[in-house]
Amino acid sequence: GAGVSQSPSNKVTEKGKDVELRCDPISGHTALYWYRQSLGQGLEFLIYFQGNSAPDKSGLPSDRFSAERTGGSVSTLTIQRTQQEDSAVYLCASSRRGVSSGANVLTFGAGSRLTVL
Amino acid sequence: QQQVKQSPQSLIVQKGGIPIINCAYENTAFDYFPWYQQFPGKGPALLIAIRPDVSEKKEGRFTISFNKSAKQFSLHIMDSQPGDSATYFCAAKWPGNTGKLIFGQGTTLQVKP
Repeated sequence: GAGVSQSPSNKVTEKGKDVELRCDPISGHTALYWYRQSLGQGLEFLIYFQGNSAPDKSGLPSDRFSAERTGGSVSTLTIQRTQQEDSAVYLCASSRRGVSSGANVLTFGAGSRLTVL
Repeated sequence: QQQVKQSPQSLIVQKGGIPIINCAYENTAFDYFPWYQQFPGKGPALLIAIRPDVSEKKEGRFTISFNKSAKQFSLHIMDSQPGDSATYFCAAKWPGNTGKLIFGQGTTLQVKP
């Protein structure tokens, strides 16, 4: 597609429920990233995919968070047993590839705003 | 552990002013320093970026100044306009093949007409 597409744009859920957030990256982009943006905070790295594998999961805050990517394209971020502190905007970004140095342009989607009541 | 520290948290300037946003980093292995601009309801978008072997980069009204010895870099917006009102994030890229960016906390800029 023309840009990174994320859905849903807004999700309100009750504490303890599971949620799935979807990211459809730019066609041909092999690298995919999930970030979390909390109110008044910067962008917090969650996980990085190269193709379908996730060589860097270091930012996932707990084992309630998981992500997968299929067909080298669409990715799903799953949060199990949601807590109020999970409320944030979850941003997905893609790039042509992870590069060893120099320019690496991450193109972000508009994000999925999650509110846990 | 905050590896990229950004200040100020918010900034208000008059049209035509020159807002300056500062960032400091800790890891000397970072090898690329972009700035992203985010409007409400949108994802961040790349604005300008610099490599650590360059001391200054200018693109239009936006300039990055980079001080490698001090591990600091800053964004200057010349002749600021109300349309520049947005949140600005500095970032630093991990070396290696992941392309992972570590972001600062963000600066909310308001340019008054």
